[in-house]
Amino acid sequence: EAQVTQNPRYLITVTGKKLTVTCSQNMNHEYMSWYRQDPGLGLRQIYYSMNVEVTDKGDVPEGYKVSRKEKRNFPLILESPSPNQTSLYFCASSLGVTSGIYEQYFGPGTRLTVT
Amino acid sequence: AQSVTQLGSHVSVSEGALVLLRCNYSSSVPPYLFWYVQYPNQGLQLLLKYTTGATLVKGINGFEAEFKKSETSFHLTKPSAHMSDAAEYFCAAKFGNEKLTFGTGTRLTIIP
Repeated sequence: EAQVTQNPRYLITVTGKKLTVTCSQNMNHEYMSWYRQDPGLGLRQIYYSMNVEVTDKGDVPEGYKVSRKEKRNFPLILESPSPNQTSLYFCASSLGVTSGIYEQYFGPGTRLTVT
Repeated sequence: AQSVTQLGSHVSVSEGALVLLRCNYSSSVPPYLFWYVQYPNQGLQLLLKYTTGATLVKGINGFEAEFKKSETSFHLTKPSAHMSDAAEYFCAAKFGNEKLTFGTGTRLTIIP
């Protein structure tokens, strides 16, 4: 089954404790992206990757890191989480610009609480 | 600046009534347009998309949307609401080579 998976689905942590949220897709998609969803703000892009070893900042990159060492994986790293990073996070992927197909497929989300 | 605006953060309709969710975009060049649905505790699922060609686009679950260039709109409709349609709906646009830009979402409630 074609899908985007994220782990963990739920995470409660404390300020300053480094964490990683994993994202994996099995569709051989070039493009991957991380979003955060907050009430009244919709989805805001954190980082995206056009392909392996190619990443770039989105609208709200502060406090986050990403890497794209393999095509299927795109982990989101919070080096020192703070309470304002409490949010619902989504990973998404798409075939990419070269395909001319732009719809994105979303993971189930990770609800992060930072106390 | 290019943007996507969804009018109404909350919409309530009676079961069997028409569903109309509004989406407008701001851009001098028509973008690719998408509607996504988010059911509780789930990720976003693509409902339908407009890229080129026919301006009336049909999607899953009986939804459709019409691209109107003159009104810079891409409103989502369904003739008869069902209880299972209760969800949050997001309009999104891809402006040129730019990333996907989302609206702030509309929560649809169905009244029995």
